[in-house]
Amino acid sequence: SQQGEEDPQALSIQEGENATMNCSYKTSINNLQWYRQNSGRGLVHLILIRSNEREKHSGRLRVTLDTSKKSSSLLITASRAADTASYFCATDAMNRDDKIIFGKGTRLHILP
Amino acid sequence: GAGVSQTPSNKVTEKGKYVELRCDPISGHTALYWYRQSLGQGPEFLIYFQGTGAADDSGLPNDRFFAVRPEGSVSTLKIQRTERGDSAVYLCASSLISSSDNEQFFGPGTRLTVL
Repeated sequence: SQQGEEDPQALSIQEGENATMNCSYKTSINNLQWYRQNSGRGLVHLILIRSNEREKHSGRLRVTLDTSKKSSSLLITASRAADTASYFCATDAMNRDDKIIFGKGTRLHILP
Repeated sequence: GAGVSQTPSNKVTEKGKYVELRCDPISGHTALYWYRQSLGQGPEFLIYFQGTGAADDSGLPNDRFFAVRPEGSVSTLKIQRTERGDSAVYLCASSLISSSDNEQFFGPGTRLTVL
Protein backbone atom coordinates (compact mmCIF):
# COMPACT_ATOMS: atom_id res chain seq x y z
CA SER A 1 0.00 0.00 0.00
CA GLN A 2 1.12 3.55 -0.57
CA GLN A 3 2.41 5.62 2.31
CA GLY A 4 2.62 9.07 0.77
CA GLU A 5 -0.05 10.98 -1.05
CA GLU A 6 0.76 14.04 -3.14
CA ASP A 7 -1.47 17.00 -3.63
CA PRO A 8 -2.48 18.42 -6.01
CA GLN A 9 -2.71 15.56 -8.50
CA ALA A 10 -2.02 18.00 -11.33
CA LEU A 11 -0.74 21.55 -11.47
CA SER A 12 -0.31 23.97 -14.38
CA ILE A 13 1.54 27.24 -13.90
CA GLN A 14 3.18 29.89 -16.05
CA GLU A 15 6.90 29.75 -16.64
CA GLY A 16 8.69 31.83 -14.05
CA GLU A 17 6.13 31.24 -11.32
CA ASN A 18 6.77 29.12 -8.24
CA ALA A 19 5.29 25.63 -7.99
CA THR A 20 4.36 24.05 -4.68
CA MET A 21 3.52 20.39 -4.22
CA ASN A 22 2.55 18.69 -1.00
CA CYS A 23 2.94 15.20 0.35
CA SER A 24 1.11 13.70 3.31
CA TYR A 25 1.99 10.38 4.87
CA LYS A 26 0.46 8.10 7.44
CA THR A 27 3.07 6.73 9.84
CA SER A 28 6.26 7.93 11.47
CA ILE A 29 9.22 8.11 9.14
CA ASN A 30 12.99 8.29 9.28
CA ASN A 31 13.31 10.32 6.11
CA LEU A 32 11.44 11.46 3.03
CA GLN A 33 12.66 11.75 -0.54
CA TRP A 34 11.39 13.59 -3.60
CA TYR A 35 11.86 12.22 -7.13
CA ARG A 36 11.09 13.60 -10.58
CA GLN A 37 9.93 11.56 -13.56
CA ASN A 38 9.92 12.74 -17.15
CA SER A 39 7.85 11.07 -19.86
CA GLY A 40 6.73 8.16 -17.69
CA ARG A 41 10.17 6.59 -17.58
CA GLY A 42 13.00 6.49 -15.05
CA LEU A 43 12.86 8.54 -11.89
CA VAL A 44 15.56 10.96 -10.79
CA HIS A 45 16.30 11.63 -7.15
CA LEU A 46 15.93 15.30 -6.21
CA ILE A 47 16.39 15.65 -2.48
CA LEU A 48 16.21 13.78 0.82
CA ILE A 49 15.13 15.28 4.11
CA ARG A 50 15.54 13.50 7.42
CA SER A 51 12.95 13.42 10.19
CA ASN A 52 15.04 15.72 12.37
CA GLU A 53 15.28 18.35 9.64
CA ARG A 54 12.64 20.98 8.96
CA GLU A 55 13.86 22.53 5.72
CA LYS A 56 16.37 21.79 3.03
CA HIS A 57 17.47 23.59 -0.12
CA SER A 58 19.02 22.43 -3.36
CA GLY A 59 19.33 24.98 -6.15
CA ARG A 60 15.79 26.13 -7.02
CA LEU A 61 14.27 23.42 -4.81
CA ARG A 62 13.11 23.95 -1.27
CA VAL A 63 11.72 21.08 0.78
CA THR A 64 10.02 21.36 4.14
CA LEU A 65 9.03 18.63 6.55
CA ASP A 66 6.49 18.88 9.35
CA THR A 67 6.52 15.62 11.28
CA SER A 68 3.73 16.75 13.60
CA LYS A 69 1.41 17.11 10.61
CA LYS A 70 3.01 14.22 8.74
CA SER A 71 3.48 16.35 5.67
CA SER A 72 6.15 17.70 3.35
CA SER A 73 6.19 20.30 0.64
CA LEU A 74 8.36 20.74 -2.44
CA LEU A 75 8.75 24.25 -3.78
CA ILE A 76 10.28 24.89 -7.19
CA THR A 77 11.12 28.54 -7.65
CA ALA A 78 11.29 30.40 -10.96
CA SER A 79 9.87 27.44 -12.87
CA ARG A 80 11.14 26.52 -16.33
CA ALA A 81 9.68 24.51 -19.17
CA ALA A 82 12.13 21.73 -18.34
CA ASP A 83 10.50 21.35 -14.91
CA THR A 84 7.45 19.83 -16.59
CA ALA A 85 7.35 16.33 -15.11
CA SER A 86 5.71 14.19 -12.46
CA TYR A 87 6.98 14.60 -8.91
CA PHE A 88 6.78 11.84 -6.30
CA CYS A 89 7.46 11.75 -2.62
CA ALA A 90 8.75 8.53 -1.11
CA THR A 91 8.95 7.55 2.52
CA ASP A 92 10.17 4.62 4.56
CA ALA A 93 7.79 1.72 4.53
CA MET A 94 6.10 1.24 7.89
CA ASN A 95 8.61 -0.06 10.48
CA ARG A 96 11.17 -0.60 7.75
CA ASP A 97 14.37 1.23 6.94
CA ASP A 98 15.46 -0.72 3.89
CA LYS A 99 12.88 0.25 1.30
CA ILE A 100 10.74 3.22 0.31
CA ILE A 101 7.15 3.57 -0.76
CA PHE A 102 6.08 6.09 -3.42
CA GLY A 103 2.98 8.24 -3.59
CA LYS A 104 0.87 8.69 -6.72
CA GLY A 105 2.62 11.88 -7.75
CA THR A 106 1.84 15.40 -8.86
CA ARG A 107 1.87 16.08 -12.58
CA LEU A 108 3.38 19.54 -13.10
CA HIS A 109 2.97 21.36 -16.40
CA ILE A 110 4.85 24.59 -17.01
CA LEU A 111 3.12 26.79 -19.55
CA PRO A 112 5.31 28.92 -21.85
CA GLY B 1 30.14 5.36 -15.03
CA ALA B 2 27.08 3.94 -16.73
CA GLY B 3 23.72 4.20 -15.08
CA VAL B 4 21.10 1.52 -14.62
CA SER B 5 20.08 -0.09 -17.87
CA GLN B 6 17.03 -2.19 -18.66
CA THR B 7 16.26 -4.39 -21.61
CA PRO B 8 14.16 -4.55 -23.62
CA SER B 9 12.80 -1.00 -23.58
CA ASN B 10 9.50 -2.27 -24.95
CA LYS B 11 8.00 -5.73 -24.95
CA VAL B 12 4.75 -6.75 -26.58
CA THR B 13 3.52 -10.23 -25.88
CA GLU B 14 0.38 -12.28 -26.06
CA LYS B 15 -1.70 -13.36 -23.11
CA GLY B 16 -0.37 -16.59 -21.65
CA LYS B 17 3.22 -16.14 -22.81
CA TYR B 18 6.36 -16.03 -20.66
CA VAL B 19 8.54 -12.89 -20.51
CA GLU B 20 11.87 -11.96 -19.00
CA LEU B 21 12.90 -8.42 -18.19
CA ARG B 22 16.52 -7.63 -17.50
CA CYS B 23 18.16 -5.04 -15.28
CA ASP B 24 21.84 -4.06 -15.17
CA PRO B 25 22.47 -2.03 -12.02
CA ILE B 26 25.25 0.42 -11.37
CA SER B 27 28.48 -1.42 -10.69
CA GLY B 28 29.12 -1.82 -6.98
CA HIS B 29 25.51 -1.26 -5.92
CA THR B 30 24.50 -4.07 -3.61
CA ALA B 31 20.78 -3.28 -3.48
CA LEU B 32 18.50 -3.74 -6.47
CA TYR B 33 14.80 -2.93 -6.56
CA TRP B 34 12.00 -3.79 -8.97
CA TYR B 35 8.89 -1.63 -9.27
CA ARG B 36 5.82 -1.68 -11.46
CA GLN B 37 4.14 1.51 -12.57
CA SER B 38 0.72 1.83 -14.13
CA LEU B 39 -0.45 4.93 -15.96
CA GLY B 40 -1.05 7.83 -13.59
CA GLN B 41 0.27 5.96 -10.58
CA GLY B 42 3.47 5.98 -8.60
CA PRO B 43 5.98 3.13 -8.72
CA GLU B 44 4.67 0.11 -6.84
CA PHE B 45 7.28 -1.95 -5.01
CA LEU B 46 7.66 -5.55 -6.17
CA ILE B 47 10.87 -7.04 -4.78
CA TYR B 48 14.35 -6.07 -3.73
CA PHE B 49 17.67 -7.85 -3.53
CA GLN B 50 20.53 -7.30 -1.16
CA GLY B 51 23.38 -9.02 -2.93
CA THR B 52 22.16 -12.28 -4.42
CA GLY B 53 19.29 -12.89 -2.08
CA ALA B 54 15.76 -11.56 -2.28
CA ALA B 55 15.48 -9.60 0.96
CA ASP B 56 11.83 -8.71 0.46
CA ASP B 57 9.48 -10.09 -2.18
CA SER B 58 6.27 -9.01 -0.49
CA GLY B 59 5.25 -6.84 -3.44
CA LEU B 60 5.12 -9.62 -6.02
CA PRO B 61 1.42 -9.85 -6.92
CA ASN B 62 1.27 -13.64 -7.27
CA ASP B 63 3.35 -16.71 -8.00
CA ARG B 64 3.48 -15.97 -11.72
CA PHE B 65 6.12 -13.36 -10.88
CA PHE B 66 9.65 -14.35 -9.97
CA ALA B 67 13.00 -12.56 -9.94
CA VAL B 68 16.60 -13.66 -9.64
CA ARG B 69 19.98 -12.07 -9.17
CA PRO B 70 22.33 -15.04 -9.24
CA GLU B 71 25.66 -13.24 -9.13
CA GLY B 72 24.63 -10.16 -7.20
CA SER B 73 24.69 -7.91 -10.23
CA VAL B 74 22.28 -8.37 -13.16
CA SER B 75 18.71 -9.22 -12.23
CA THR B 76 15.93 -10.78 -14.27
CA LEU B 77 12.23 -10.38 -13.56
CA LYS B 78 10.28 -13.32 -14.93
CA ILE B 79 6.54 -13.36 -15.55
CA GLN B 80 4.78 -16.60 -16.45
CA ARG B 81 1.41 -16.95 -18.16
CA THR B 82 1.13 -13.21 -18.71
CA GLU B 83 -2.24 -11.52 -18.32
CA ARG B 84 -3.50 -8.24 -19.76
CA GLY B 85 -3.42 -6.77 -16.28
CA ASP B 86 0.36 -7.23 -16.21
CA SER B 87 0.71 -4.44 -18.78
CA ALA B 88 2.72 -1.65 -17.15
CA VAL B 89 6.15 -0.07 -17.07
CA TYR B 90 8.56 -2.16 -15.03
CA LEU B 91 11.24 -0.08 -13.37
CA CYS B 92 14.50 -1.23 -11.86
CA ALA B 93 16.58 0.79 -9.42
CA SER B 94 19.83 0.22 -7.59
CA SER B 95 21.47 1.81 -4.59
CA LEU B 96 24.76 1.47 -2.81
CA ILE B 97 23.11 -0.26 0.14
CA SER B 98 19.56 -1.16 1.04
CA SER B 99 18.71 1.76 3.23
CA SER B 100 15.81 4.16 2.98
CA ASP B 101 18.20 7.10 3.30
CA ASN B 102 20.12 6.01 0.21
CA GLU B 103 19.34 7.53 -3.15
CA GLN B 104 17.95 5.03 -5.64
CA PHE B 105 19.12 5.26 -9.24
CA PHE B 106 16.48 4.23 -11.74
CA GLY B 107 16.70 2.68 -15.14
CA PRO B 108 14.52 3.89 -18.03
CA GLY B 109 12.07 1.03 -17.55
CA THR B 110 10.59 -1.69 -19.73
CA ARG B 111 7.12 -1.04 -21.09
CA LEU B 112 5.30 -4.37 -21.15
CA THR B 113 2.14 -4.70 -23.20
CA VAL B 114 0.14 -7.92 -22.98
CA LEU B 115 -2.36 -8.28 -25.80
